[in-house]
Amino acid sequence: AQSVTQLDSHVSVSEGTPVLLRCNYSSSYSPSLFWYVQHPNKGLQLLLKYTSAATLVKGINGFEAEFKKSETSFHLTKPSAHMSDAAEYFCVVGKSSEKLVFGKGTKLTVNP
Amino acid sequence: DAGVIQSPRHEVTEMGQEVTLRCKPISGHNSLFWYRQTMMRGLELLIYFNNNVPIDDSGMPEDRFSAKMPNASFSTLKIQPSEPRDSAVYFCASRSNTDTQYFGPGTRLTVL
Repeated sequence: AQSVTQLDSHVSVSEGTPVLLRCNYSSSYSPSLFWYVQHPNKGLQLLLKYTSAATLVKGINGFEAEFKKSETSFHLTKPSAHMSDAAEYFCVVGKSSEKLVFGKGTKLTVNP
Repeated sequence: DAGVIQSPRHEVTEMGQEVTLRCKPISGHNSLFWYRQTMMRGLELLIYFNNNVPIDDSGMPEDRFSAKMPNASFSTLKIQPSEPRDSAVYFCASRSNTDTQYFGPGTRLTVL
């Protein structure tokens, strides 16, 4: 069985400051892990994906995430927030042979 | 590629009416997923297909909901009769043999 926990339902940062969105997962085998972003009234867009290659994964728009097996974490970071980063972010765990399991989402607010 | 295409983008109907949502997956993708998103329950998987065959429909709320995939390029989600509590955004996603799901823009359904 797989599960994913997003530790913060809301995160608020100032423009230009770092972003950290936290995610912990549980899986009985080596998982694939994803971060998706959803802007208001839009569909979900893939930010990045981990599939057991490099543990530091770079995504679009300057985001990256680090897979830490010892901590069962896959936190999403960005060095400097931009106003356009305001959105909801979903951490997801899964394998191609199974359905994906979505976290409940973290809403990111970026203040000017 | 045009991505996953959903229609209509918005649907407003009255309680008791039949509603049909449509999805065209990305060409070459062999898996298709229907999700529902609400403020209260977040993102829920309703059903998914592999090679046009329904694999897991355990997320379908009740018999009022049905989904079909008559061929590799088209799927429908039907609600009959519709109820106000069905109001939500319905997403379709497709996937090839990798883990990554690509989402459509969604259909916003309002049942009055």
